[in-house]
Amino acid sequence: QQQVKQSPQSLIVQKGGISIINCAYENTAFDYFPWYQQFPGKGPALLIAIRPDVSEKKEGRFTISFNKSAKQFSLHIMDSQPGDSATYFCAAGPNTGTASKLTFGTGTRLQVTL
Amino acid sequence: KAGVTQTPRYLIKTRGQQVTLSCSPISGHRSVSWYQQTPGQGLQFLFEYFSETQRNKGNFPGRFSGRQFSNSRSEMNVSTLELGDSALYLCASSLGGTVGYEQYFGPGTRLTVT
Repeated sequence: QQQVKQSPQSLIVQKGGISIINCAYENTAFDYFPWYQQFPGKGPALLIAIRPDVSEKKEGRFTISFNKSAKQFSLHIMDSQPGDSATYFCAAGPNTGTASKLTFGTGTRLQVTL
Repeated sequence: KAGVTQTPRYLIKTRGQQVTLSCSPISGHRSVSWYQQTPGQGLQFLFEYFSETQRNKGNFPGRFSGRQFSNSRSEMNVSTLELGDSALYLCASSLGGTVGYEQYFGPGTRLTVT
């Protein structure tokens, strides 16, 4: 019940296109859903995060869509650029008020081609 | 503000030895979490410290331990190293408490066990 399932495993998008990565969770105790971007040799960098009280959050070219009833959330990268080529992880955190434990998806390797 | 720093960045140890990794969180952050990242298992939560107390623990054997100091710096120790402990060990800091879920990762320590 602690799993976060992420798809696709890898994604190739042309420059200017939209990249879409999907995640699903089972544990209804999760109430914080961040996305991280990781480049080779680096630690994950927080991109954008959402809580279940909103269905969408946008920051620049990055948008999270959240469907509470389906227990699914997705990351959309608009106008994808070669510099976006990286591995993306979704994650989910519990609503305990004090804990920071995150459960991560398995990652999506995004390649943006010219 | 300076980001999360981890030392050393790379480490090679022999099976059976022990190792200590260090993490300095972002100034003002009181929570430090540790994660193990491997190609096979992905990102897995090890434990979290807040105000020098372990607040949460993942499903790792007792060979993995940690501590946090009064200045919020944290150390992680792995005793009796096994080949399977080879991984990228990531530290993440957050404000902690009842606010500040956002976790910011350091660059990691790459541990190789031979």
